[in-house]
Amino acid sequence: NAGVTQTPKFRILKIGQSMTLQCAQDMNHNYMYWYRQDPGMGLKLIYYSVGAGITDKGEVPNGYNVSRSTTEDFPLRLELAAPSQTSVYFCASRTARDNSPLHFGNGTRLTVT
Amino acid sequence: TQLLEQSPQFLSIQEGENLTVYCNSSSVFSSLQWYRQEPGEGPVLLVTVVTGGEVKKLKRLTFQFGDARKDSSLHITAAQPGDTGLYLCAGAQRGSTLGRLYFGRGTQLTVWP
Repeated sequence: NAGVTQTPKFRILKIGQSMTLQCAQDMNHNYMYWYRQDPGMGLKLIYYSVGAGITDKGEVPNGYNVSRSTTEDFPLRLELAAPSQTSVYFCASRTARDNSPLHFGNGTRLTVT
Repeated sequence: TQLLEQSPQFLSIQEGENLTVYCNSSSVFSSLQWYRQEPGEGPVLLVTVVTGGEVKKLKRLTFQFGDARKDSSLHITAAQPGDTGLYLCAGAQRGSTLGRLYFGRGTQLTVWP
């Protein structure tokens, strides 16, 4: 079972460049999430989606955009990369059932210099 | 401000010792989840607690949800090097939008042989 797949695993960007972090899940989960993880800071929610065509902002959405055209895919877009966006990004998915667990991908480590 | 406060932030112990990790808040949660994360991977669910006062055991790990559903603890008996990892608590608030989870900053546990 593939679960949640994130690509790329690593990326270095220059300030002002743009990129898309890819996330795909094969579990037919309706809910999908993007988190960023900084050392000692836990996981902060960037954006989330409850189904195709529906997205909403989390705690730290500035500088990011998302789309959800299919149930499987939930890409995260950085338009003008800034050093503050250096982080590890995790995509997660879950069913709509109450208290269902989050299934995480293995993350994308992004450095902006 | 962090909705969930975890303590301690770091814990370094010898194999065979016991330890307790705490997850506290001034807010009430409908459920709390504990995840463990290993280097280079996404967090993986250990347990979900939903009832005030609930105690769940997973081999040498014991999880407790506070009576008022504002706090939780994780106790490990006779820790082993394989228990090394980042332990994260995550809470879902009643009425929260679409099952959003709020994460603590994590406890980094290192168990030495």
